[in-house]
Amino acid sequence: QPVLTQPPSVSGAPGQRVTFSCTGSRSNIGAAYDVHWYQQLPGTAPKLLIYDTTNRPSGVPDRFSGSKSGTSASLAITGLQAEDEADYYCQSYDTSLSGYWVFGGGTKLTVV
Amino acid sequence: EVQMVESGGGLVKPGGSLRLSCAASGFTFSTYSMTWVRQAPGKGLEWVSSISSSSNYIYYTDSVRGRFTISRDNAKNSLYLQMNSLRAEDTAVYYCARSNFGVVGSYISDNYGMDVWGQGTTVTVSS
Repeated sequence: QPVLTQPPSVSGAPGQRVTFSCTGSRSNIGAAYDVHWYQQLPGTAPKLLIYDTTNRPSGVPDRFSGSKSGTSASLAITGLQAEDEADYYCQSYDTSLSGYWVFGGGTKLTVV
Repeated sequence: EVQMVESGGGLVKPGGSLRLSCAASGFTFSTYSMTWVRQAPGKGLEWVSSISSSSNYIYYTDSVRGRFTISRDNAKNSLYLQMNSLRAEDTAVYYCARSNFGVVGSYISDNYGMDVWGQGTTVTVSS
């Protein structure tokens, strides 16, 4: 089981706002470690979408935003587009015995 | 252009070995830590191993420790993953990723995420 918990799927219509949750614990997100988000389009390598919880790399539209509260983090997409259909993964660092870098199980976004 | 290209994947029998390579270009390889991440068929991403810029710090996930060895050659801008005693559960696409962690004493800082990824190389362990 992944250390970070993500819902398996999320769906939304074009133009809508969707959010993705990422639930951790006191040994990772709750320990003040940043959360990073990755987008994986079908058949491609992951791409960094949000780093250090709230920052967008150059080239990522401002439709994508990240936040964190306590032991959880969230990714939001506004103005949903068909090309946003992908898998989204959160990632952080974990300080527990089986720790180091950890990913969530991923959330599949379907644009209906 | 910043780029990383993996190679070395293939079909191997259980108990066999493979050596993956990742060739980096377009950035100063020697100043970045590097990471291997894998993705089993139809599954999510799994962190495998990370190495600091000067190879002083090396980390492995529990399931590969003692079987896999990460290394790098900064003169050749290359990252490697030597995989021994392979098991069926090691079957996955293996990605190399540029990472940005830092180590101060026992504290590891994980900033900036894994910001550049290769296209992946497929490892299949099957008899």
